[in-house]
Amino acid sequence: QSALTQPASVSGSPGQSITISCTGTSSDVGYYNYVSWYQQHPGKAPKLMIYEVSYRPSGVSNRFSGSKSGNTASLTISGLQAEDEADYYCSSYTSSSSLVFGGGTKLTVL
Amino acid sequence: EVQLVESGGGLVQPGRSLRLSCAASGFTFDDYAMHWVRQAPGKGLEWVSSISWNSGSIGYADSVRGRFTISRDNAKNSLYLQMNSLRAEDMALYYCAKGKSSSRIQVFDYWGQGTLVTVSS
Repeated sequence: QSALTQPASVSGSPGQSITISCTGTSSDVGYYNYVSWYQQHPGKAPKLMIYEVSYRPSGVSNRFSGSKSGNTASLTISGLQAEDEADYYCSSYTSSSSLVFGGGTKLTVL
Repeated sequence: EVQLVESGGGLVQPGRSLRLSCAASGFTFDDYAMHWVRQAPGKGLEWVSSISWNSGSIGYADSVRGRFTISRDNAKNSLYLQMNSLRAEDMALYYCAKGKSSSRIQVFDYWGQGTLVTVSS
């Protein structure tokens, strides 16, 4: 199972909005609504930010939102803040009952 | 407060075995699936294995199938990963993660801090 495709890096200024894409196939992202997004700060464990494409766990800021169109899922962060600088990973359940992650995107807040 | 504490990592020679443990607290352990996810140094996340609440459904990544065995002891609120025939490419920080539901569909809502496995002669 090949990794999902994410941009290696994105950047934005405080207050702006950014979107991170996550492209898979019709056997994973395009087939199921089991796309999740995780935030990982350096030296820390990942944190769940979005699950089932667009649901936010309790405690996650509503500045984070998720969506999906076809084989591509997206994470949008609005009102960018310095604390949002981190690595972001998408994941998707697959037709073979496995899980595939994206390669990760490094978000830089300028 | 949900806590997941991994242990059992260390330095091991290629071809040898290691058993990882994860002690869980702060939630009803046998209500949820549990998972292992690893991260090689400086690399991305890789799903390793998942087990449903009652051990009735288990899955493995292709890269570890046949070498790794996941198990759980609900009476001890513990998750395990038996790793055999270890290879250099298995070297990583291994995270224990709590599933968001009882099924082994992999959504990880809490993570431990990880235990480091180093494979080297």
